[in-house]
Amino acid sequence: EAAVTQSPRNKVAVTGGKVTLSCNQTNNHNNMYWYRQDTGHGLRLIHYSYGAGSTEKGDIPDGYKASRPSQENFSLILELATPSQTSVYFCASGDAGEGTEVFFGKGTRLTVV
Amino acid sequence: GEKVEQHESTLSVREGDSAVINCTYTDTASSYFPWYKQEAGKSLHFVIDIRSNVDRKQSQRLIVLLDKKAKRFSLHITATQPEDSAIYFCAASKANYNVLYFGSGTKLTVEP
Repeated sequence: EAAVTQSPRNKVAVTGGKVTLSCNQTNNHNNMYWYRQDTGHGLRLIHYSYGAGSTEKGDIPDGYKASRPSQENFSLILELATPSQTSVYFCASGDAGEGTEVFFGKGTRLTVV
Repeated sequence: GEKVEQHESTLSVREGDSAVINCTYTDTASSYFPWYKQEAGKSLHFVIDIRSNVDRKQSQRLIVLLDKKAKRFSLHITATQPEDSAIYFCAASKANYNVLYFGSGTKLTVEP
């Protein structure tokens, strides 16, 4: 079973603070993704990556940066956290190319107060 | 980018009945359509998919139908069981890419 590990699993941050969400995968997948899940919106794509050193913008990248320093690791960075970024964040990984299964981490619940 | 609309936000069925969840997409270049299941408080896991070269796929009690002309696809769960209760997400991605765009989810409740 493919493994995607997110840390932390829960985080409370203050408005204006910097938050880093980390994701590690041991599947040797080229692609990694960050989504946020909010009631009524489903999963929305924030950033994704095709491999080490690459980051691409998804549908809602504003207020977020991403970093892919290695095949295994993909971080989501909130430089100036806002209450509107309170959400559950999911990291996922998958092989390159169409139509291969994407594997999700267990999620990070972020609350910005 | 691709926009995937999931039409039923909630769905309630009796155990043993069938459940149908419908999705539409906007990008004619989309060619891969997976479905994911999220049980309460848990992450998402893959349940079934369909590619644009077929219009029907079945895996045990799950059937996926694809109508490319209408840009519509659907998940049919037959003989529902209480353990089918979950949120189901449809998704779409384009040929040669593996970037999934998700619908808003359908909360399915199977009542005994």
